[in-house]
Amino acid sequence: DAKTTQPNSMESNEEEPVHLPCNHSTISGTDYIHWYRQLPSQGPEYVIHGLTSNVNNRMASLAIAEDRKSSTLILHRATLRDAAVYYCILRAVYSGAGSYQLTFGKGTKLSVIP
Amino acid sequence: GAGVSQTPSNKVTEKGKYVELRCDPISGHTALYWYRQSLGQGPEFLIYFQGTGAADDSGLPNDRFFAVRPEGSVSTLKIQRTERGDSAVYLCASSPNRDQYNEQFFGPGTRLTVL
Repeated sequence: DAKTTQPNSMESNEEEPVHLPCNHSTISGTDYIHWYRQLPSQGPEYVIHGLTSNVNNRMASLAIAEDRKSSTLILHRATLRDAAVYYCILRAVYSGAGSYQLTFGKGTKLSVIP
Repeated sequence: GAGVSQTPSNKVTEKGKYVELRCDPISGHTALYWYRQSLGQGPEFLIYFQGTGAADDSGLPNDRFFAVRPEGSVSTLKIQRTERGDSAVYLCASSPNRDQYNEQFFGPGTRLTVL
């Protein structure tokens, strides 16, 4: 499976934009890039996903490099509620065994400073 | 609407005992997943159900772990002869179907402590 690399931790000031990087240099052409986050003492929650084009939703934006070897999750205005561990995950588009579950790394722990 | 629920929220047991952890997925979701999360780590896949059948159980660590989903809704994860190393948060997730594009909805987890 293609792997992702993320910084262990990042800090942001409240109400400032946050850019969370993810490297996935061995990504294949049919891998989708998914982001989940896990707030303290909760299960992970879906944030956003994309394939090639940049994506926006109510929670965040996803910027994907042209060569797809890296991506950046953008929180436009960090709030204290955004303090969480953010996971960048690749999901393969094929129907074989192992293709349906999420493979989590250690993620990036984001701290938001008031 | 109701999300994924898991019971109990906390379970403390003694080494060697048997435990059952329950997951109620979102109504109508056919895909159900179990994950295990140790302290400081990301969740680790255990087993995946599509309907009533276990489509992929490759993540179960050994034969002490077993899961069922008899009617295609509620699932139970069963651990026999528990060991201290089984202590972790056990997470359940569901999705509308097995499509890789679909997000998985996670429950709050069951924290298992084996003394």
